[in-house]
Amino acid sequence: GENVEQHPSTLSVQEGDSAVIKCTYSDSASNYFPWYKQELGKGPQLIIDIRSNVGEKKDQRIAVTLNKTAKHFSLHITETQPEDSAVYFCAADGSSNTGKLIFGQGTTLQVKP
Amino acid sequence: NAGVTQTPKFRILKIGQSMTLQCTQDMNHNYMYWYRQDPGMGLKLIYYSVGAGITDKGEVPNGYNVSRSTTEDFPLRLELAAPSQTSVYFCASSLGGSHYNEQFFGPGTRLTVL
Repeated sequence: GENVEQHPSTLSVQEGDSAVIKCTYSDSASNYFPWYKQELGKGPQLIIDIRSNVGEKKDQRIAVTLNKTAKHFSLHITETQPEDSAVYFCAADGSSNTGKLIFGQGTTLQVKP
Repeated sequence: NAGVTQTPKFRILKIGQSMTLQCTQDMNHNYMYWYRQDPGMGLKLIYYSVGAGITDKGEVPNGYNVSRSTTEDFPLRLELAAPSQTSVYFCASSLGGSHYNEQFFGPGTRLTVL
């Protein structure tokens, strides 16, 4: 089955700097790769996603890149702000058509003012 | 829309007790999921359902049961609670289909088994 590895597990940056979180996946049949943000005491919330027919997608200060050949995808946050501090999860859908997602282990991002 | 709601928010169980975690969504989503989240371990899928009357096991189903009698509700049953089931439980739902994968999560239930 699908396996998703996420790095780093913790990341600390200064406000205004960029942050990059990387994930690798094992199932070449995966074609949907979402990123979720989880604030303290809340459920995860989708912030951006990408499908296998696209190499990059941007939404204001966040972007996701996908390299299907290497089976890895990354989240890029530019001009970080203290409110970006949270846990971020990547996921992949594997080869099933049930909507199931396999999640990475999560990255705790701390943005220092 | 309230989205995905979960009750209770917190619960402490004694070893061997049973309980049901409730999950309801008002978005008319076909697919629903139960995850557990342990510290540093990400989200692990317990059970999922692709429609009323249809359920299937995820990665970590042992010690749990589910039912899906309506589109809206997807309760998770813990029988004979064990300390290993101490975790935060999240319910999620999605519309379903290859282009509607976004999962919407509830606020979670924090369960402690002592």
